[in-house]
Amino acid sequence: EDQVTQSPEALRLQEGESSSLNCSYTVSGLRGLFWYRQDPGKGPEFLFTLYSAGEEKEKERLKATLTKKESFLHITAPKPEDSATYLCAVQARGADGLTFGKGTHLIIQP
Amino acid sequence: DSGVTQTPKHLITATGQRVTLRCSPRSGDLSVYWYQQSLDQGLQFLIHYYNGEERAKGNILERFSAQQFPDLHSELNLSSLELGDSALYFCASSVLAGSNTGELFFGEGSRLTVL
Repeated sequence: EDQVTQSPEALRLQEGESSSLNCSYTVSGLRGLFWYRQDPGKGPEFLFTLYSAGEEKEKERLKATLTKKESFLHITAPKPEDSATYLCAVQARGADGLTFGKGTHLIIQP
Repeated sequence: DSGVTQTPKHLITATGQRVTLRCSPRSGDLSVYWYQQSLDQGLQFLIHYYNGEERAKGNILERFSAQQFPDLHSELNLSSLELGDSALYFCASSVLAGSNTGELFFGEGSRLTVL
């Protein structure tokens, strides 16, 4: 069974304080690993797809990296508007739906 | 705005009842996915439809069913409701038959409360 574990469950940072969110996964043949952002009362919003170990993707203050067992979402000099729940998901080869982790609730204080 | 529309936004009902949740995908998207989000389980994949045909089932209970109509909108039917069915139900759409890029466009969800 595919599993995704995210840590920490919650993280509070000061504005400008960089950090990383972790996503550990087990999957029977990885097709892709995905990061989403979810704001309160909203649906998840797609951020990145990573396909193979060593791959990196960047968008503004966010950078996602992938190894064979985990992915990191690095947040550089975050701003209050980066506050959200960040979700990690995997898709196994031959599978249709995504398996999501429970997310990291990130709060950036001004 | 993702372009995916879900109705109703909120629904309160009693145990044993039946409800229907509706989803209109983004214009041009042929795939519709349904996910359930609860506090303890996170987002769980329920079912996927592509151009009117069922493509895959996830952790969908037998009391739940879905369909996709010729105009591509989809409905999720939940029957014999139990307290544990209280959750947020999300619809997501994509152009492709499989979520090849993982880029799903989610609606804002329907919050179901079963009393």
